Amino acid sequence: NAGVTQTPKFRVLKTGQSMTLLCAQDMNHEYMYWYRQDPGMGLRLIHYSVGEGTTAKGEVPDGYNVSRLKKQNFLLGLESAAPSQTSVYFCASSYTAGGEQYFGPGTRLTVT
Amino acid sequence: GESVGLHLPTLSVQEGDNSIINCAYSNSASDYFIWYKQESGKGPQFIIDIRSNMDKRQGQRVTVLLNKTVKHLSLQIAATQPGDSAVYFCAENRNAGNMLTFGGGTRLMVKP
Repeated sequence: NAGVTQTPKFRVLKTGQSMTLLCAQDMNHEYMYWYRQDPGMGLRLIHYSVGEGTTAKGEVPDGYNVSRLKKQNFLLGLESAAPSQTSVYFCASSYTAGGEQYFGPGTRLTVT
Repeated sequence: GESVGLHLPTLSVQEGDNSIINCAYSNSASDYFIWYKQESGKGPQFIIDIRSNMDKRQGQRVTVLLNKTVKHLSLQIAATQPGDSAVYFCAENRNAGNMLTFGGGTRLMVKP
């Protein structure tokens, strides 16, 4: 099993550009999450999904959108990137609600 | 608001010594706690978890202690090794909800 994978690993955007981060998991998990991690800080939840076709807002959802069209994939979109969105983005999945989460390797995004 | 936090941002220990990393939480409704390890450039990895009906749980070289009276969680690492150098996060699940809330992290540095 590959576990949780994320693409791309690195990306540089200019202010106002858009992009989509892809997360995929092969563990048949119902729950998926997107976090951002700023330097020297913990993880903050952006959006999450409790199953295919569902999404919900987390702690810091503004400026981001998500979609869960397939159970194994969770997409994070930035419609108009801002320098404040420079961060490392982690995707995670879990089998149970609020249970152990398995994390991907992260995507380092820089917005200039 | 209520949050999970940590007492020490950086902990430096000698190789072979025991390490203790602390975490305070303020929500008495939290019923599940996890410790994660994050190495540089990687996603967080599960170390050990504990439910609120327990006060101690042991793994391989790691022990988690939960004191519900003072809302305190600790991670003990026995015979700390260079490979233990990382940032450690505690996370809590509140009211069997869909999310984990992460603390700010403690950096553990192991001196040879």
